[in-house]
Amino acid sequence: SQKIEQNSEALNIQEGKTATLTCNYTNYSPAYLQWYRQDPGRGPVFLLLIRENEKEKRKERLKVTFDTTLKQSLFHITASQPADSATYLCAPSPRTGGGNKLTFGTGTQLKVEL
Amino acid sequence: EPEVTQTPSHQVTQMGQEVILRCVPISNHLYFYWYRQILGQKVEFLVSFYNNEISEKSEIFDDQFSVERPDGSNFTLKIRSTKLEDSAMYFCASSDKGPGTGELFFGEGSRLTVL
Repeated sequence: SQKIEQNSEALNIQEGKTATLTCNYTNYSPAYLQWYRQDPGRGPVFLLLIRENEKEKRKERLKVTFDTTLKQSLFHITASQPADSATYLCAPSPRTGGGNKLTFGTGTQLKVEL
Repeated sequence: EPEVTQTPSHQVTQMGQEVILRCVPISNHLYFYWYRQILGQKVEFLVSFYNNEISEKSEIFDDQFSVERPDGSNFTLKIRSTKLEDSAMYFCASSDKGPGTGELFFGEGSRLTVL
């Protein structure tokens, strides 16, 4: 069965450092992979989408990589700030004809400390 | 900025009662979704809806659940006979592109508490 794995342990880092979050998936061949941010008690908010033919995507302090051979995506936040503290969700996307849903990983909680 | 709105923000109900959760998706969006999140757990897919019909549903979405788009703006989730385990945050989402190819816009959620 399809599985999405994100580190369930919280990641604690110091302000200013780079946070790196991992998303591994099995039994998937996603054409796209999305990352979302979720704050406690709130709905997920879209951050980035990367296509299978893109190795890397950047948006301001965010960077996502997508390795279809390793079946892994890495999500980086550079110069992290306390406001970046949240849970980050990855969502490998189905191919056309592969279903009509977006399935989320369990998420990794990031805590950025002063 | 356009947003997805959900009502009510919190509903408390007795086991066995019917509940309707309402959503107003972004106006030009065509794809609609319901997700739920039990406290402390992952965001789980319930159902997707396109062209006035269900396009996919999960195992969770059994006969006690139904969705409807009664007019051009609302998208509702009905739970016919609530159980204790239905207590969760329910999120509505919409998109202007098919699943995976475009971002999902989520509402702030409706917290359902079943007593």
